[in-house]
Amino acid sequence: DTEVTQTPKHLVMGMTNKKSLKCEQHMGHRAMYWYKQKAKKPPELMFVYSYEKLSINESVPSRFSPECPNSSLLNLHLHALQPEDSALYLCASSQARDRRTYEQYFGPGTRLTVT
Amino acid sequence: GNSVTQMEGPVTLSEEAFLTINCTYTATGYPSLFWYVQYPGEGLQLLLKATKADDKGSNKGFEATYRKETTSFHLEKGSVQVSDSAVYFCALSDWGNDMRFGAGTRLTVKP
Repeated sequence: DTEVTQTPKHLVMGMTNKKSLKCEQHMGHRAMYWYKQKAKKPPELMFVYSYEKLSINESVPSRFSPECPNSSLLNLHLHALQPEDSALYLCASSQARDRRTYEQYFGPGTRLTVT
Repeated sequence: GNSVTQMEGPVTLSEEAFLTINCTYTATGYPSLFWYVQYPGEGLQLLLKATKADDKGSNKGFEATYRKETTSFHLEKGSVQVSDSAVYFCALSDWGNDMRFGAGTRLTVKP
């Protein structure tokens, strides 16, 4: 099973709302990633977790707050977003970060619209 | 730093035509190379990969060969189908496994 699941599939939120995106994998992977993808652009890395610890934060605004409750789950908490944050948010996982040969497996994404 | 350059699209082909999407890379180390495909409204799917020089990755009729001497990883398919219409991303991964993506090439195949 090489599946990464993400919920919800679509999310519309106002600028004062608080919401969370969820990601889950059951492949035993120890690295998990959040990406942001704008239309007609490649994914941009936001956060990397390795063995449940935050390894990389690519200078993401604090209105995005990641959480890794256990090795299978990854959350992205959203608060006070701006309309320019509207995008497809992709979660990915890989076996680990210690080998260049490991591919990343992506979920289907959450389409976020901020109104 | 590491980077990936893909041919600009969009690319429009007729069904059964030959496909080539060019990809070149710059890396300080010895990266692994990947092609991902993204269908409309979906996430990225791994299409193929190669981890060392002269390796050929292949899947679903698509092929790409890791050419260290030309720092290239061009994607090819002998006969495209309408169902191959998608955006294709070339990517590399070096130590630390953080992926660097090219800009993406949109392919449209017409019947």
